[in-house]
Amino acid sequence: GAVVSQHPSRVICKSGTSVKIECRSLDFQATTMFWYRQFPKQSLMLMATSNEGSKATYEQGVEKDKFLINHASLTLSTLTVTSAHPEDSSFYICSARKTPSNTEAFFGQGTRLTVV
Amino acid sequence: AQSVAQPEDQVNVAEGNPLTVKCTYSVSGNPYLFWYVQYPNRGLQFLLKYITGDNLVKGSYGFEAEFNKSQTSFHLKKPSALVSDSALYFCAVRDTQSGYALNFGKGTSLLVTP
Repeated sequence: GAVVSQHPSRVICKSGTSVKIECRSLDFQATTMFWYRQFPKQSLMLMATSNEGSKATYEQGVEKDKFLINHASLTLSTLTVTSAHPEDSSFYICSARKTPSNTEAFFGQGTRLTVV
Repeated sequence: AQSVAQPEDQVNVAEGNPLTVKCTYSVSGNPYLFWYVQYPNRGLQFLLKYITGDNLVKGSYGFEAEFNKSQTSFHLKKPSALVSDSALYFCAVRDTQSGYALNFGKGTSLLVTP
């Protein structure tokens, strides 16, 4: 099966600092990656869709200047939470698809971000 | 917009009994439906999907789901529940916009008691 690795699994940072989360497809090339956010006991909310080599498409209500997404290669996408605030504390999950036509998405293990 | 609904926040079942986790969908066109499972502080694990073909889909860990077009449902089932099945289950539908991302239901917490 396809493996998506997300790093770090947990991070604690101070308010005002920036945090970078990496999402890697280990054994396949991912032309499209997705970033989700999950609040406690709630569902996953799509934040943005990133395609390799192009700008990410953000969902309504997601601040693109705050959540910077880079998809520089077919195996790596990064999410940077800039000037983090306590309300940014959440569980962030990435997923990747092998090709645009592939219907199955593979998920990373998630990153628990705590902003203090 | 493509969406799914999971009407139950929690399902409790005794070990060895059959389990059902409900999901209904609302889509335009043919639905691409999925079930995922999430263990605490972990990502999502794929269980099964329905794209086309047989209405009964068999997936991982003994789970199966039945696609019912007339009832717009895609309930997840397992004939005999295990304590280790206790987790959070998400139904999802592929969004025809947003680059074909998945739209998730709110999730159903399954608790299997010994």
